[in-house]
Amino acid sequence: GAVVSQHPSRVICKSGTSVKIECRSLDFQATTMFWYRQFPKQSLMLMATSNEGSKATYEQGVEKDKFLINHASLTLSTLTVTSAHPEDSSFYICSARQGTNSPLHFGNGTRLTVT
Amino acid sequence: GQQLNQSPQSMFIQEGEDVSMNCTSSSIFNTWLWYKQDPGEGPVLLIALYKAGELTSNGRLTAQFGITRKDSFLNISASIPSDVGIYFCARSNFGNEKLTFGTGTRLTIIP
Repeated sequence: GAVVSQHPSRVICKSGTSVKIECRSLDFQATTMFWYRQFPKQSLMLMATSNEGSKATYEQGVEKDKFLINHASLTLSTLTVTSAHPEDSSFYICSARQGTNSPLHFGNGTRLTVT
Repeated sequence: GQQLNQSPQSMFIQEGEDVSMNCTSSSIFNTWLWYKQDPGEGPVLLIALYKAGELTSNGRLTAQFGITRKDSFLNISASIPSDVGIYFCARSNFGNEKLTFGTGTRLTIIP
């Protein structure tokens, strides 16, 4: 079945540095991928929609210059958290859909801790 | 904004008991989905509902899409230890791939 893979699964970085998270669709092509963020004991909140070959669409309140999204191929989207701060510490999860009528498949998430 | 509320927020049950949780929306939507999330992992799709009144089963799980299109419930029969986790409802509209997730129901099984 369709699988979405995220890397790394955990990352610890110092405040002010940048971190890149990768999301890959392993056995299907995804023209659209979605990035979610989940704080402890809270629900998943959509951050942005990543579109292959074009600019990402960001949800209200999400800073596009801080959370850089690149969807350079049909199987890879990357989220870069720039100038990370402790309040950016969260669980970041990507998802992708194999086709228009297919359900969303989620990656296993990336736990980001900013010290 | 559009709210998607789940209840109960948490449940503590004994193994073998049946579980029921629901999800309500302030707006009408065309798709209801139920996901389960284990600690430190991404959510996994359990059941997808696309039609008002639709009742769908997946093993011991049963979910229904409310007639008003504003609510859905999920039932788990004869709970087992691996049912522990957080259950999220989610909804979207046709042509809109963005999902909005509910507040979640945390299920704990008491030994």
